[in-house]
Amino acid sequence: AQSVTQPDIHITVSEGASLELRCNYSYGATPYLFWYVQSPGQGLQLLLKYFSGDTLVQGIKGFEAEFKRSQSSFNLRKPSVHWSDAAEYFCAVGDSGGYQKVTFGTGTKLQVIP
Amino acid sequence: EAGVTQFPSHSVIEKGQTVTLRCDPISGHDNLYWYRRVMGKEIKFLLHFVKESKQDESGMPNNRFLAERTGGTYSTLKVQPAELEDSGVYFCASRPTGEGYTFGSGTRLTVV
Repeated sequence: AQSVTQPDIHITVSEGASLELRCNYSYGATPYLFWYVQSPGQGLQLLLKYFSGDTLVQGIKGFEAEFKRSQSSFNLRKPSVHWSDAAEYFCAVGDSGGYQKVTFGTGTKLQVIP
Repeated sequence: EAGVTQFPSHSVIEKGQTVTLRCDPISGHDNLYWYRRVMGKEIKFLLHFVKESKQDESGMPNNRFLAERTGGTYSTLKVQPAELEDSGVYFCASRPTGEGYTFGSGTRLTVV
């Protein structure tokens, strides 16, 4: 069965600092990987996805993620965090076809301090 | 284009009562999903509709949960009778075939 581990429950960074959120997955075949963000009172918004091809994926809001098969990881990065990035971030893996059923991690809450 | 709409946004009910959550997907989206997040845990799949048919309901926790999708449009998720462990945030998502999800903002259910 597929699974996702986000080892950091809560992260605090200073505005302008770089950010890396960790994600490890378990999946038997080529994974379909996602990062979602949930801001307070909002739904889950897709930041980026990896299905195949270039292992460095660019997303919205200046985020990127790198797929590393050897480490079963799909870490999310941003070079300079803005106060508006404070939210909860979810890594997820999809089953065959990518979208039929998605398994989420437990989420990482990001706090941004001035 | 209107997004996925869920209501109510919050619901507080007593143990043993019945609650019905509603999801209005984006018009034309054949696929509709329900997910649930229990406090501090991961977001878990509940079920998937294709039009009015249940494609996969393997995530439904027990027979106190009943999901319907009338005429392939809106969907309801009824919990009867509600238990304390049913508290959480219930998300709905819809998507057209071959494309990605759009999530609603969720219904926060509290059972006291």
